[in-house]
Amino acid sequence: GAGVSQSPRYKVAKRGQDVALRCDPISGHVSLFWYQQALGQGPEFLTYFQNEAQLDKSGLPSDRFFAERPEGSVSTLKIQRTQQEDSAVYLCASSSRTFSNQPQHFGDGTRLSIL
Amino acid sequence: AQSVSQHNHHVILSEAASLELGCNYSYGGTVNLFWYVQYPGQHLQLLLKYFSGDPLVKGIKGFEAEFIKSKFSFNLRKPSVQWSDTAEYFCAVSYTGTASKLTFGTGTRLQVTL
Repeated sequence: GAGVSQSPRYKVAKRGQDVALRCDPISGHVSLFWYQQALGQGPEFLTYFQNEAQLDKSGLPSDRFFAERPEGSVSTLKIQRTQQEDSAVYLCASSSRTFSNQPQHFGDGTRLSIL
Repeated sequence: AQSVSQHNHHVILSEAASLELGCNYSYGGTVNLFWYVQYPGQHLQLLLKYFSGDPLVKGIKGFEAEFIKSKFSFNLRKPSVQWSDTAEYFCAVSYTGTASKLTFGTGTRLQVTL
């Protein structure tokens, strides 16, 4: 596709449920990032993939958060045993190369609400 | 920890007024600087970026930003705003050697009135 695609756009879950968020990056983009954006805040880094390798997961807030990109394209962010503080917009971004000066292209995000 | 500060949280301007949004970042070595914009209901889009060279960079839609290394600043400017510039603006930085991850400011909501 022309841009980064994320699904679902909205997700409502009860506390304690597991959720899975999908990101389809721009075709051919090597780098993929996940960010979490709480209400009224800027996006905060969660994790980074270069192809299928997860090179940085320093931003994942707990071991309930898990991300994968098994074939180096589509990525899934999974949150287990969701809690209310997990409510946020989850953004996915991709870039064509691995250099730190490469701009990232963002998807529309998944708005997650935990009841 | 690396951080980005945006001092203006909400700015209201009339059309044709000049705009300057402040952005300061913490020292962390060689930096790459970005301004992203998010129009209502849309995804984050790149406005402009600075990597090296001329500290005055020009972006899309008449926006420009100036990198002042001594002040750790990268302020966004536009001489004359339009109603269509109503959006949220985010300053972001990546540090060379940190695998490209972006550190964002909290954003500035710009409202342009007719």
